[in-house]
This record gives sequence, C-alpha cells and structure tokens, in this order.
Amino acid sequence: QKEVEQNSGPLSVPEGAIASLNCTYSDRGSQSFFWYRQYSGKSPELIMFIYSNGDKEDGRFTAQLNKASQYVSLLIRDSQPSDSATYLCAVIRYGNKLVFGAGTILRVKS
Amino acid sequence: GAGVSQSPSNKVTEKGKDVELRCDPISGHTALYWYRQSLGQGLEFLIYFQGNSAPDKSGLPSDRFSAERTGGSVSTLTIQRTQQEDSAVYLCASSLGLAPSYNEQFFGPGTRLTVL
Repeated sequence: QKEVEQNSGPLSVPEGAIASLNCTYSDRGSQSFFWYRQYSGKSPELIMFIYSNGDKEDGRFTAQLNKASQYVSLLIRDSQPSDSATYLCAVIRYGNKLVFGAGTILRVKS
Repeated sequence: GAGVSQSPSNKVTEKGKDVELRCDPISGHTALYWYRQSLGQGLEFLIYFQGNSAPDKSGLPSDRFSAERTGGSVSTLTIQRTQQEDSAVYLCASSLGLAPSYNEQFFGPGTRLTVL
C-alpha cells in the first residue's frame, strides 16, 4: 500500500463545475496535509495546507480533512480551463519531509 | 531573488560522469529539501537540511548521491558515476523550517538531468 494514494485520472469537468480531488493516506501519525498544483513542465506550487479536521476555504479552493477516515480532499469551485493541471497531495508524517501522491490530472473543458 | 533558484536548468551528461546541481533557497528559509521527479512518477524525497542539524539522508537512493549545504544557504546535490536511471527532474524546495503544521515548502524550477 502506498503511503499517499490518489486517483491518477484524468478527471474531466466542464467549465464552471466543481472539481473534487481525493487523497487517502496510510499513516495515522500524519500531521499536515498539502495540495500542490503542477502544470506540465513546471514545478509544483502550493495551493493550500490543512492540519485540523474539517474544512478550510481559500477563494475557490476548499480543503477537507478527515483524520478518522485518513482522507483529504480538494474542491475547486467554478472550475476554469486554467485550473487544468496535475494536483499533488502531500503529507508530513514526521520531521518535515513531504510524502507525495502520484497526482491527479484535472482537465477543465470550456 | 524572491523564490528558490536552481542551476543549471538542464544538464545532459554521459553515463559514468559526475554532476553537480545547485540550489539557492529563499532568503531566511532555514530548511532545504531535494526531491526528484522521474517521467510519469510522483515526487520522491531525497534529502533534507534543517539549520545546523545533521541532514536527513533517508531518501538518497544510493551512495552515489550526496549533498551539502554551505553556510546554511546554498546547497549542492552531487551524483557520482551517473546512470541512465538517474535521469529525472531534480527539484529543490525551501521552507521556514517551523513546526510541521506550518511547513510550507516552496519549490524551485528544477534541473532536468538527462544521462545518455
């Protein structure tokens, strides 16, 4: 079992819809959870981080964390074609090193 | 500069040669990380420096890989006797190095290494 699992996709949504990206992790000791966006040929850029159960909203983005279910998600409201990218889920188990999932490809169709 | 910088942006080398990759972290960031991303693969942790503490080398794939950080700032990742499987994008990141809950890592543009 991988430490961080994501559906590779691609996830296709129409412009204006809500995109829902999901991630599960295996280690209950994981402390912090991050969502990065990576455009093709570019380096990852941080979108959001969350470390408490519940929801955290930032503009069109909402991160949701459920530690009991070992599940973290990212919702993108009013999806735009510019949101098309690979979304990487990452967790910190101990220390400060990130463990990444393989990423989910999101395609927003206009 | 405002962000993490890396050099070179691209490196093509022959199998068996040594290469050095450089990373300049964001000013004031005490933590520095190296990751690599192979084609179609996720990011793989390599090594982590935090202040003056001993680095966490647990992700280095073999003893051909080493890294140092001089003066708590610039870091160099060295790969000796390169192999074709070393071909990847090598990414450097830095953070304020605070508690994990606040450890936002910012990535540089990466160095694309191609071993022929």
